[in-house]
Amino acid sequence: QKEVEQNSGPLSVPEGAIASLNCTYSDRGSQSFFWYRQYSGKSPELIMFIYSNGDKEDGRFTAQLNKASQYVSLLIRDSQPSDSATYLCAVKRKAAGNKLTFGGGTRVLVKP
Amino acid sequence: GAGVSQSPRYKVAKRGQDVALRCDPISGHVSLFWYQQALGQGPEFLTYFQNEAQLDKSGLPSDRFFAERPEGSVSTLKIQRTQQEDSAVYLCASSFGLAGGPYEQYFGPGTRLTVT
Repeated sequence: QKEVEQNSGPLSVPEGAIASLNCTYSDRGSQSFFWYRQYSGKSPELIMFIYSNGDKEDGRFTAQLNKASQYVSLLIRDSQPSDSATYLCAVKRKAAGNKLTFGGGTRVLVKP
Repeated sequence: GAGVSQSPRYKVAKRGQDVALRCDPISGHVSLFWYQQALGQGPEFLTYFQNEAQLDKSGLPSDRFFAERPEGSVSTLKIQRTQQEDSAVYLCASSFGLAGGPYEQYFGPGTRLTVT
């Protein structure tokens, strides 16, 4: 079992709809959770981070964390074609120091 | 500059050659990380520096990989006797805080290494 798992997609979403991305992790000692967006051929760009159970909203993005169930999700509201990218979930564990453990990413396609 | 910079952006090496990849972190960032990203995969951790100290090198795949950050700023990732399986994008990231803190990492543009 991989430490961080994501559905590889592609997740096809009509423009204006909500895109829902999920990520599960195996280590209950995980403390910090990050969502990065990566356009093809570019480097990962931080979108959001979350540390506490519940929801965190930033503009059109909402991150949701459920530590009991060991999953973190990202919602993208009013999806735009410019949101088409790969979304990487990353986890930081105190026992593992400062490094990030990434999932394989979910590719999102927003169709006009 | 305002962000993390890496050079070269692209490197083609013949199998068996040595390569050196450079990373300039964001000014003032204490922590520096190297990741390897294979095509279609998420980045995988290679090594971590806090200032000039290499605190974690557990992700380096073999002893052909070596990283240094002698003055606590610029870092170099060196790969000796390159193999085809080393072909990947090498990403450098920096972070303001120290180990264990909730500090986000900012990535550079990466170096795409192709070993022929």
